[in-house]
Amino acid sequence: RKEVEQDPGPFNVPEGATVAFNCTYSNSASQSFFWYRQDCRKEPKLLMSVYSSGNEDGRFTAQLNRASQYISLLIRDSKLSDSATYLCVVTRGYQKVTFGTGTKLQVIP
Amino acid sequence: DGGITQSPKYLFRKEGQNVTLSCEQNLNHDAMYWYRQDPGQGLRLIYYSQIVNDFQKGDIAEGYSVSREKKESFPLTVTSAQKNPTAFYLCASSIGVSGLRAEAFFGQGTRLTVV
Repeated sequence: RKEVEQDPGPFNVPEGATVAFNCTYSNSASQSFFWYRQDCRKEPKLLMSVYSSGNEDGRFTAQLNRASQYISLLIRDSKLSDSATYLCVVTRGYQKVTFGTGTKLQVIP
Repeated sequence: DGGITQSPKYLFRKEGQNVTLSCEQNLNHDAMYWYRQDPGQGLRLIYYSQIVNDFQKGDIAEGYSVSREKKESFPLTVTSAQKNPTAFYLCASSIGVSGLRAEAFFGQGTRLTVV
């Protein structure tokens, strides 16, 4: 089983829609969790950290469920500019950083 | 400005040649990583280093080698033993202190093509 798993998509959604991605992790010792965004042919960039209490940044909400070992990302009121690949990232131990394979989002006019 | 720099941005290699990709960071990060990304695929870990003079194989280390002689530098050599080296290579670093939130920062990547 992969350490971090994501649905690769693509998720094709109309502008204004709400879309949610999940990411599961296998190691219960995982310590830190992040969502990254990667645009085509570019490097990944940090979108937001994920906290147990949940956190929100504008239209984006991230949640962590330690009991079920998954994290989620919710995007409300999707914009065309949200089209990208969203990578789930999990760290454990002495900075072992593991990336999911990413979920591709395409927002359609 | 602090950051992580990869060079070159584009690299062409003849079959049978070894090439070295550079990765330098001035963020004072302990941990550094090399990933490979193929078109439409996720990131796959090649090697990582948590401290100077130490590094570990990732999921796809065959045909690659690394060194970590300095904290700032983590070069990746793609050897002739790597049968399918054409890909986008990303270097990353993270702070490397246990217990802190360890986001990773990426270089802009090197696009390697075998000709």
